[in-house]
Amino acid sequence: DSGVTQTPKHLITATGQRVTLRCSPRSGDLSVYWYQQSLDQGLQFLIQYYNGEERAKGNILERFSAQQFPDLHSELNLSSLELGDSALYFCASSGKASGVGEQYFGPGTRLTVT
Amino acid sequence: GDSVTQMEGPVTLSEEAFLTINCTYTATGYPSLFWYVQYPGEGLQLLLKATKADDKGSNKGFEATYRKETTSFHLEKGSVQVSDSAVYFCALSDPVYKLSFGAGTTVTVRA
Repeated sequence: DSGVTQTPKHLITATGQRVTLRCSPRSGDLSVYWYQQSLDQGLQFLIQYYNGEERAKGNILERFSAQQFPDLHSELNLSSLELGDSALYFCASSGKASGVGEQYFGPGTRLTVT
Repeated sequence: GDSVTQMEGPVTLSEEAFLTINCTYTATGYPSLFWYVQYPGEGLQLLLKATKADDKGSNKGFEATYRKETTSFHLEKGSVQVSDSAVYFCALSDPVYKLSFGAGTTVTVRA
C-alpha cells in the first residue's frame, strides 16, 4: 500500500459527460501528479501541483483541469468526454517539489467512456 | 524533449532464468533514472532508482546501473520467479521531477 488513495476505482460514463477523479496523497506529501495510461499512448504525465499551486503541465487537454485543495487532496476534472478518454488515470505523490523525488502511485481510476 | 526507449515485449521466461530489459534515454542535463513495476490490477511501484552516473540501483534481486556514456539503464535479475511477472517501466525525471516513462515491457515467468 503506497498510502495514496484514489476514488472511484471504476467509472463508466457516456460521451459528452463530465467526471471528477479524486486523489489523496500520502500523509505529508505536498506534490501531486496526474498521469494517464492508455494502450495507444502509454503512460503520459498530465499535470503537477505543489502545495495548492500548479507546477508543471504535460499533455493535458483543454477539456481537462485539476486543482489541489488546502488539505492537499487533488481532483482531476474531465469534461466533454470522448471515447478516446477511456484510460487508467493515476495519481502520484511526492515529498519534494524539486530535487530527486520518488513518486508513490495510487491504484488508479479506470474510466470507461461509452 | 526527454524520452525513454525500452525493449518491447512481451518477454516470457522460465523460473530461475536471467532477465534483462534494455532501456535507453534522451535527456538534456542529468536526469534521475527509475524502474517502476506494475503488477496486474495495481498501480505502479518504485522498484529501484539511480540519481547520477555510475550509480547502481538495486532492490529485490533487481539491479540497474546508470550509464551516462551509453545513456542506458538496463534492468537485470539473475534468477526470476513467477512472482516477478509484471509490467516493467523505465522512467526518467526532469528538473521539475515529472516522470517520462518508456512504453513498458510485459514479463511473464512460467513455473
